[in-house]
Amino acid sequence: AQKITQTQPGMFVQEKEAVTLDCTYDTSDPSYGLFWYKQPSSGEMIFLIYQGSYDQQNATEGRYSLNFQKARKSANLVISASQLGDSAMYFCAMRDSGGGADGLTFGKGTHLIIQP
Amino acid sequence: DVKVTQSSRYLVKRTGEKVFLECVQDMDHENMFWYRQDPGLGLRLIYFSYDVKMKEKGDIPEGYSVSREKKERFSLILESASTNQTSMYLCASRKNRDRIHEQYFGPGTRLTVT
Repeated sequence: AQKITQTQPGMFVQEKEAVTLDCTYDTSDPSYGLFWYKQPSSGEMIFLIYQGSYDQQNATEGRYSLNFQKARKSANLVISASQLGDSAMYFCAMRDSGGGADGLTFGKGTHLIIQP
Repeated sequence: DVKVTQSSRYLVKRTGEKVFLECVQDMDHENMFWYRQDPGLGLRLIYFSYDVKMKEKGDIPEGYSVSREKKERFSLILESASTNQTSMYLCASRKNRDRIHEQYFGPGTRLTVT
């Protein structure tokens, strides 16, 4: 069974600082994908970044990068130069190619608050 | 841009009522999903559909059913709503299984069952 763990229920960060949101995962499948989503107070889930298990390089999308450490089963999200608009819930998620449900398995989320 | 819409942002129903939550996507996506989101639990998959008329159980299908008569529309049905189904419901769609990194979510429906 796959499992996603986000150990930080909440974080306070000063504006313009870099932020690292932790995510560890557990799967026995060699082929899997890791995702990060942002959910602002409006409720909509916004896709941020994706990392495939066979990707050689860490994924980057603008200010977002994914620190993928396969041996540690870790997929931390790094936000550089944080902004007030980054305040939101952040979810790490995974999909593998195993049998059963084909949707994403989500972690419990981290509530990030950026302070001015 | 992909657009996934849900019929209601907020819904209040009484225990025992039959409830329909509608989801529509406008990008000809094959795969559609229903999740529920509860504080401290993250998102959990209820049902998904690979294509029209197809449906598969997710991790928590009990108390729910789904319908996919048209490609663009995926309905979640609560046959007899109960208070433990009070939650945020999120619909998502994806082009197909080869595009797993492109799953788009709707704005969510916050359902309260009294």
